[in-house]
Amino acid sequence: GAGVSQTPSNKVTEKGKYVELRCDPISGHTALYWYRQSLGQGPEFLIYFQGTGAADDSGLPNDRFFAVRPEGSVSTLKIQRTERGDSAVYLCASSLFEGYEQYFGPGTRLTVT
Amino acid sequence: ELKVEQNPLFLSMQEGKNYTIYCNYSTTSDRLYWYRQDPGKSLESLFVLLSNGAVKQEGRLMASLDTKARLSTLHITAAVHDLSATYFCAVDRYLYNTGTASKLTFGTGTRLQVTL
Repeated sequence: GAGVSQTPSNKVTEKGKYVELRCDPISGHTALYWYRQSLGQGPEFLIYFQGTGAADDSGLPNDRFFAVRPEGSVSTLKIQRTERGDSAVYLCASSLFEGYEQYFGPGTRLTVT
Repeated sequence: ELKVEQNPLFLSMQEGKNYTIYCNYSTTSDRLYWYRQDPGKSLESLFVLLSNGAVKQEGRLMASLDTKARLSTLHITAAVHDLSATYFCAVDRYLYNTGTASKLTFGTGTRLQVTL
């Protein structure tokens, strides 16, 4: 079946602009996660959704970052007033239930100029 | 705070040789994952280790988990060039009976280069 998909695959934006990154999890997966991977580093946790609610948003770096999952399926990561330090690959993952294996999408490469 | 350390960070090895990558973590967990990442690509799941003493093998790769030592190893047997990639271990802090939410903490990664 279809895996996790993310759009866009690449996003270039100017400093100070607003961006939205979308994640379509595997159908039927209840848990959805966002991670951020900077160049040469391992992915770092941002936020975890169980259904429609954010069960853990402790990884969001500041209040410019926000994520939603209004119907318990697709999720959108929103970044306001982007900064050059936000440049990274943003990875989305989903799992059937909490604690189960996470399957990763291809990522969105965000570049802030 | 859960910390995950991998070593070595970089490994250059000749084809046909054996080597082991180590993954140490700092707090109790019985869910450990190994991923492979090729340049510019996403994470490909290699192994899921869910209990103490778990050992899994796929081709030239074998992974094991010792939850008491908080150590996992990824052993490479008779390396081939196609194994060149970055390998990450990741620990899930999820503990069902404590209500601790699931999230993966990744190691720093081991960049493996297999030379002909």
